[in-house]
Amino acid sequence: KNEVEQSPQNLTAQEGEFITINCSYSVGISALHWLQQHPGGGIVSLFMLSSGKKKHGRLIATINIQEKHSSLHITASHPRDSAVYICAAQQGGSEKLVFGKGTKLTVNP
Amino acid sequence: SAVISQKPSRDICQRGTSLTIQCQVDSQVTMMFWYRQQPGQSLTLIATANQGSEATYESGFVIDKFPISRPNLTFSTLTVSNMSPEDSSIYLCSVESGGETQYFGPGTRLLVL
Repeated sequence: KNEVEQSPQNLTAQEGEFITINCSYSVGISALHWLQQHPGGGIVSLFMLSSGKKKHGRLIATINIQEKHSSLHITASHPRDSAVYICAAQQGGSEKLVFGKGTKLTVNP
Repeated sequence: SAVISQKPSRDICQRGTSLTIQCQVDSQVTMMFWYRQQPGQSLTLIATANQGSEATYESGFVIDKFPISRPNLTFSTLTVSNMSPEDSSIYLCSVESGGETQYFGPGTRLLVL
């Protein structure tokens, strides 16, 4: 079993829909990262959070430390949001990241 | 924040040859990380490269196959040696800056024939 599990693996939505991607982890963490990977391969860091909730534009990330679960929400989704979203757990006392397999999001116009 | 560039962005190589990937950061950073992402898989850490010391390799990765240089605080190279088709992957470098999030390079897409 992977230490970081994401669901769903693939997600197709219509423009404007509210999107939720889930991440569960089994390791002790100091932080949880959400990353965005576009088809070219480059990765952009969206959030790093260790508690509560963060918001940036239409993106919201939440984490529940007790339940070892995090969610990434996209409000008013747009075709340009189409990408692979990756959850990564930063293990306590380390800079190392353990990655989920990613969620491929396709937003259709 | 940190801006990272990688060269080359992509390459097609013949088996048995070696490729060196460069990673340049626009600020001085202590730790740089090299990752591999095989097709359809999640990222896997190859090694951590600190300036002035030998790179630390993760289980399953060895220096003979993936030699790393870290000559200064803004630059690192990863060499993929004696390549085989199984080495076809995206290779990414990343840095941690200011104790905040990790920043990733654009990646090098490698295809080995």
